Amino acid sequence: SQTIHQWPATLVQPVGSPLSLECTVEGTSNPNLYWYRQAAGRGLQLLFYSVGIGQISSEVPQNLSASRPQDRQFILSSKKLLLSDSGFYLCAWKLPGSSSYNSPLHFGNGTRLTVT
Amino acid sequence: LAKTTQPISMDSYEGQEVNITCSHNNIATNDYITWYQQFPSQGPRFIIQGYKTKVTNEVASLFIPADRKSSTLSLPRVSLSDTAVYYCLVVRNTGGFKTIFGAGTRLFVKA
Repeated sequence: SQTIHQWPATLVQPVGSPLSLECTVEGTSNPNLYWYRQAAGRGLQLLFYSVGIGQISSEVPQNLSASRPQDRQFILSSKKLLLSDSGFYLCAWKLPGSSSYNSPLHFGNGTRLTVT
Repeated sequence: LAKTTQPISMDSYEGQEVNITCSHNNIATNDYITWYQQFPSQGPRFIIQGYKTKVTNEVASLFIPADRKSSTLSLPRVSLSDTAVYYCLVVRNTGGFKTIFGAGTRLFVKA
């Protein structure tokens, strides 16, 4: 069966510090991968998605970047965090290929980031 | 992508049936309607998905009228543990890699 791992679960970082959040998926190949952010009490904002190694689509121009160095690894980064980067970051995967567009998203447990 | 509109919040009592309606007037022919549930500090969890008419699983039912411009998620006999945010999404085939969430409906189930 497929599993998704995100770490760390919580993170407190000062303004201006770098960020690296990692997400890995097991049990499937070439998944579509996603990073979402959720501000307190708000809905989910799609940040990045990837359909393959090295292929990253950015949805919202901001202080963050994403990379996919391996098939089942998705990394969210920032060189200098802002206060507004605080939030709940969620990684998700779904089956690959356009024929599976209606397959559901499977989410990790998220990382709660507080920028102080 | 079709925009969705849901009530911001709903209240219910244990044992009642809850119906959450979502409007998606610009839904396209190949779009699917999908619902997720999210508990605090957790990622959303897929509940149910449909294209037209009625779909039922062990958790919920999804009713979609013929014009598909709306859909209704029905939760039978809710319990306190059904308190969560429920998201309605329309997923499009073209560029369907993108999945956009709206604000969702916050359901409070009271004892």
